[in-house]
Amino acid sequence: AQSVAQPEDQVNVAEGNPLTVKCTYSVSGNPYLFWYVQYPNRGLQFLLKYITGDNLVKGSYGFEAEFNKSQTSFHLKKPSALVSDSALYFCALGGNQGGKLIFGQGTELSVKP
Amino acid sequence: GAVVSQHPSWVICKSGTSVKIECRSLDFQATTMFWYRQFPKQSLMLMATSNEGSKATYEQGVEKDKFLINHASLTLSTLTVTSAHPEDSSFYICSASGRSADTQYFGPGTRLTVL
Repeated sequence: AQSVAQPEDQVNVAEGNPLTVKCTYSVSGNPYLFWYVQYPNRGLQFLLKYITGDNLVKGSYGFEAEFNKSQTSFHLKKPSALVSDSALYFCALGGNQGGKLIFGQGTELSVKP
Repeated sequence: GAVVSQHPSWVICKSGTSVKIECRSLDFQATTMFWYRQFPKQSLMLMATSNEGSKATYEQGVEKDKFLINHASLTLSTLTVTSAHPEDSSFYICSASGRSADTQYFGPGTRLTVL
């Protein structure tokens, strides 16, 4: 069965510190992996994706993610967090479901000044 | 690029009435559109997938007669919540993908409150 997990409900980071939001997946075949961000009462904004190629993917707003096949992970990272990065982050798995996405449960990122 | 709009952004209606939500892809042709429902602080629940000119495919447990989906053009899909009840109150989000079909772009969502 295909699935995606975000093991942390909440991540707290001080402004200026690096941040990591974790995501692991389970899939037969090659995964398409995505990160989206959601601000309160808004839809999801696309941050980045991994389809194929370089394992390190750079996305919007300074975010990047590393695809690790051996650990079946796709953690989201940013070298220096901003207060404005505080939001709900979703990892999603696609590729084998006719365009459908399987979402993780979401991780609330809180960046304090 | 890849902008998706939804209208209205919020709606309040009386129990028993029907509500229509529009989802538009503004700068690309959306061959596939998806409708999701999201409860507070929770993940997105896929309701249905619609391809332009075809009937929507509903996820298990989603009543197709209650949530009518139309995808009449490559830039517009509509979700109609028929005979809405308070339990239908939720945040409804659409997404759209183009011909490459590998990335979904999301609308800003519609907050439905049924009194």
